[in-house]
Amino acid sequence: EDQVTQSPEALRLQEGESSSLNCSYTVSGLRGLFWYRQDPGKGPEFLFTLYSAGEEKEKERLKATLTKKESFLHITAPKPEDSATYLCAVLGGKLQFGAGTQVVVTP
Amino acid sequence: ETGVTQTPRHLVMGMTNKKSLKCEQHLGHNAMYWYKQSAKKPLELMFVYSLEERVENNSVPSRFSPECPNSSHLFLHLHTLQPEDSALYLCASSQDLGSTTDTQYFGPGTRLTVL
Repeated sequence: EDQVTQSPEALRLQEGESSSLNCSYTVSGLRGLFWYRQDPGKGPEFLFTLYSAGEEKEKERLKATLTKKESFLHITAPKPEDSATYLCAVLGGKLQFGAGTQVVVTP
Repeated sequence: ETGVTQTPRHLVMGMTNKKSLKCEQHLGHNAMYWYKQSAKKPLELMFVYSLEERVENNSVPSRFSPECPNSSHLFLHLHTLQPEDSALYLCASSQDLGSTTDTQYFGPGTRLTVL
């Protein structure tokens, strides 16, 4: 059965303190891995799609990478506005979401 | 702002009430989805529609009844809900179903509280 595990559950960072979020997965035939950002009381906002191991995507302070077993979302020099829950989803037979990592960036 | 809207944004209902959630997408997509999001849990896929036909129903209780009158609109009809049904209900759409390049775009959600 496909599984998606995100770690840590929560992350508290000082402004400027870079860190990485992890998304580990087991899936039969990966067709895509998606990263979303979700703010409180709002729906998930699409960030990236990765399709194959070795692929990388960047957007402002965020960079997503993919291996055969996991994906990382690197946050470089975060700002308070980067505070959100980051969701990972894996597309095998169907799209399956992880529980998310809640990130809080303090000034 | 995304091209997917949901109404109402907040809903409080008693267990004997009947209400409906509405979703509209302005993206010209062919597939629409209902998800349930509970605190600290992954999103749970409830229903999938492709070109107005239901293609997936993930063992959802019959007190939830979806309706897709056209490819732009999706409803979730609610009746005799339980307190454990309280959650954020999210609607999403994607260009097509099953494409490897497909991305789902979400609405803002309806926060449902069942008393």
